[in-house]
Amino acid sequence: QQQVKQSPQSLIVQKGGISIINCAYENTAFDYFPWYQQFPGKGPALLIAIRPDVSEKKEGRFTISFNKSAKQFSLHIMDSQPGDSATYFCAAITAGSARQLTFGSGTQLTVLP
Amino acid sequence: GAVVSQHPSRVICKSGTSVKIECRSLDFQATTMFWYRQFPKKSLMLMATSNEGSKATYEQGVEKDKFLINHASLTLSTLTVTSAHPEDSSFYICSARVPGGPRGKTQYFGPGTRLLVL
Repeated sequence: QQQVKQSPQSLIVQKGGISIINCAYENTAFDYFPWYQQFPGKGPALLIAIRPDVSEKKEGRFTISFNKSAKQFSLHIMDSQPGDSATYFCAAITAGSARQLTFGSGTQLTVLP
Repeated sequence: GAVVSQHPSRVICKSGTSVKIECRSLDFQATTMFWYRQFPKKSLMLMATSNEGSKATYEQGVEKDKFLINHASLTLSTLTVTSAHPEDSSFYICSARVPGGPRGKTQYFGPGTRLLVL
């Protein structure tokens, strides 16, 4: 059972455009929602994260929008650059001591020069 | 962020041999570390949760005798792939959680280890 659904699987955007990646979840026990960026052959790097009591968080060109009632959240990359080309994973963390990460399936972003 | 290292970055071994992968937290003490496996163009699959000073907790379907995990100190966890076979070839990634504070809300990942079993 996939607890965090991510779309699209792949995304191609022109340089300067906006990249939008969407995720949806079912488990209301999730209490933290990070996004990770992964380049080929590297481990995932934390990009930005949000708590469910916040509707939006912005860090530089990266913005998370969070809709708690719809159980959906999305990553917006403004002014996308070729260097942003990577795989992006949304994730959700369960409350409690274990704090396990549940990953989405990933989105391969390509930003054309 | 928090820094997590892994060693080696890549390893090639013959079928039947054992391979040890180290995961270290460099600037913090990690009571909990996680081991993931990732296939090409796929998401990360949690294999086990490693707790310092106690036995690891394995996810369903992961053979604990095949993938031995030791978390002997607050900065080091090791994953040993025993009697490796070609189907064990994969990208193995560890992560660690910073205890407490804002950084403790999520996990920080190592750079990964590419294992190729011939």
